[in-house]
Amino acid sequence: DAKTTQPPSMDCAEGRAANLPCNHSTISGNEYVYWYRQIHSQGPQYIIHGLKNNETNEMASLIITEDRKSSTLILPHATLRDTAVYYCIVRLGNNAGNMLTFGGGTRLMVKP
Amino acid sequence: DTAVSQTPKYLVTQMGNDKSIKCEQNLGHDTMYWYKQDSKKFLKIMFSYNNKELIINETVPNRFSPKSPDKAHLNLHINSLELGDSAVYFCASSQGRPLSGANVLTFGAGSRLTVL
Repeated sequence: DAKTTQPPSMDCAEGRAANLPCNHSTISGNEYVYWYRQIHSQGPQYIIHGLKNNETNEMASLIITEDRKSSTLILPHATLRDTAVYYCIVRLGNNAGNMLTFGGGTRLMVKP
Repeated sequence: DTAVSQTPKYLVTQMGNDKSIKCEQNLGHDTMYWYKQDSKKFLKIMFSYNNKELIINETVPNRFSPKSPDKAHLNLHINSLELGDSAVYFCASSQGRPLSGANVLTFGAGSRLTVL
């Protein structure tokens, strides 16, 4: 699996967009980018995933660069409830086992 | 109507004891998992079952034994508990065979095990 690099922590003002970067320079052509988050004392929560194209859902937007070596998760209007650790994971979509491995992630602190 | 439920939420026990953590999902998913989150907060896969069949067994001591009575349940039994087993254990589920589609997992709230 391709390794991912994320900043350990970020701050964001409430109501502003939170842009969380992720580097995955060794990603291969058939690997997907997934984002999960873990709010304190809860289980991880799926946010979004993509392969090549930008994706948007009710929670966030995922922007993947053309060379696919990096991506950005965008929370358009961050709220205090978005304070969590955000994990960027690269994984084969058809790999045996759905074995997601969660690294250190980015601790996002949304401040009033 | 919790999607993935684990019991107990907290478990405190002595070294050497045997304990179990139960997991149930009502999503109709085919695949279930156990993950361990250590004190450094890294989440690692331990086991995965698809339709009651073991499909992933990571390098986990054989004191850990998963049991899947049906595809909606995956229980984790731990024998001879050690201090290093203290962690938060998360159950998760996903739809479809592991070779299919995207890795969208639904996690439970976690079970915090403390071994004294």
